[in-house]
Amino acid sequence: DGGITQSPKYLFRKEGQNVTLSCEQNLNHDAMYWYRQDPGQGLRLIYYSQIVNDFQKGDIAEGYSVSREKKESFPLTVTSAQKNPTAFYLCASRDSEYGYTFGSGTRLTVV
Amino acid sequence: AQKITQTQPGMFVQEKEAVTLDCTYDTSDQSYGLFWYKQPSSGEMIFLIYQGSYDEQNATEGRYSLNFQKARKSANLVISASQLGDSAMYFCAMREGRWAGTASKLTFGTGTRLQVTL
Repeated sequence: DGGITQSPKYLFRKEGQNVTLSCEQNLNHDAMYWYRQDPGQGLRLIYYSQIVNDFQKGDIAEGYSVSREKKESFPLTVTSAQKNPTAFYLCASRDSEYGYTFGSGTRLTVV
Repeated sequence: AQKITQTQPGMFVQEKEAVTLDCTYDTSDQSYGLFWYKQPSSGEMIFLIYQGSYDEQNATEGRYSLNFQKARKSANLVISASQLGDSAMYFCAMREGRWAGTASKLTFGTGTRLQVTL
């Protein structure tokens, strides 16, 4: 079955560490997105990519980095510059006017 | 200014009753799309319904319908015959501009938590 796989489901980070969240899709979608969700809040866009080797900052890109070397993969790195990284992270891809597919998310906690 | 506004942080509805979740939006684009998603406690985002700005008829998907009032810039979700499994967070979202050839980013509201009671 086609879909988006996010791993790990839960991730714990020590202060000052960089961590990378994985997002893989087998839907052959060009566009991919990373969103952050804080408790009781909506989703906010971190980064997005329309095609391979191209990506743009979203509304809250500071402290995050991404790469898009393959169509299937759009990993997100949470750097030590992100002062409040504890949140729920969702990856999505799109193929049509309303065809957005979301992954099941990664819960990141700073310990 | 908020692009998507959901003014109801929480709503209660009795099983088998209908409920309306409010959403207003702000855009200067003529072409845009409006979405509703359901997010259960597991965190996944479940697509419910979509309305394009040029669609003249209100969208319907089973028990879900979207009450689209373009002049008022509102896109309320109506859930008919509520079920206990409908208890979840509900998010309204908007894609501004044409979807083809653009980034087609989604902007989300803050959500409404719906509780269905017996």
